[in-house]
Amino acid sequence: KQEVTQIPAALSVPEGENLVLNCSFTDSAIYNLQWFRQDPGKGLTSLLLIQSSQREQTSGRLNASLDKSSGRSTLYIAASQPGDSATYLCAVNSGGGADGLTFGKGTHLIIQP
Amino acid sequence: EAGVVQSPRYKIIEKKQPVAFWCNPISGHNTLYWYLQNLGQGPELLIRYENEEAVDDSQLPKDRFSAERLKGVDSTLKIQPAELGDSAVYLCASSLEAGGDRVRNEQFFGPGTRLTVL
Repeated sequence: KQEVTQIPAALSVPEGENLVLNCSFTDSAIYNLQWFRQDPGKGLTSLLLIQSSQREQTSGRLNASLDKSSGRSTLYIAASQPGDSATYLCAVNSGGGADGLTFGKGTHLIIQP
Repeated sequence: EAGVVQSPRYKIIEKKQPVAFWCNPISGHNTLYWYLQNLGQGPELLIRYENEEAVDDSQLPKDRFSAERLKGVDSTLKIQPAELGDSAVYLCASSLEAGGDRVRNEQFFGPGTRLTVL
């Protein structure tokens, strides 16, 4: 059974810092991996999706990497802003395409102004 | 483009009462998912539909939960009777499994329904 772990569980940093969120998964046979953002009381917003054949994806100040063989992904946030404060969730698709996602518990991020 | 729509956003009921949640996926998305999210946890899959067929309902507690996706578009998730432990956020998501986006299968989520059972 796939298990996803996110470290750290919580992180508080001053505005402007670059930071890295970590995600690990136990079964390397994945189809893709998604990073989401969740604001309090809201649904999930998809940030980046990495296919199993890819090494990284970039969107603005966000960069996600994938090392499938070691079961790890990182989300890099450059020049953090208070608006980046949210919970960040990592999820893997272990099936053949449109299977359900297995989520980690998330990293609660606070950017101090 | 409109996102995934869910209603109601909030629901408070007494235990043993029935409750239903509705979801309208992104237009053209043939795969629909229902997830359950407890406080401080990541979402967990309850059921997945491909068009109108439930292809994965292994995590759905079938003694009290039921779901349907008539005509392969909107979907309803029902709980009858509700228990205290059902208090959670129920999330609906959709993806396009075939066609031009086939290699991505990116899932898009609705705002969720927050259920409180008293």
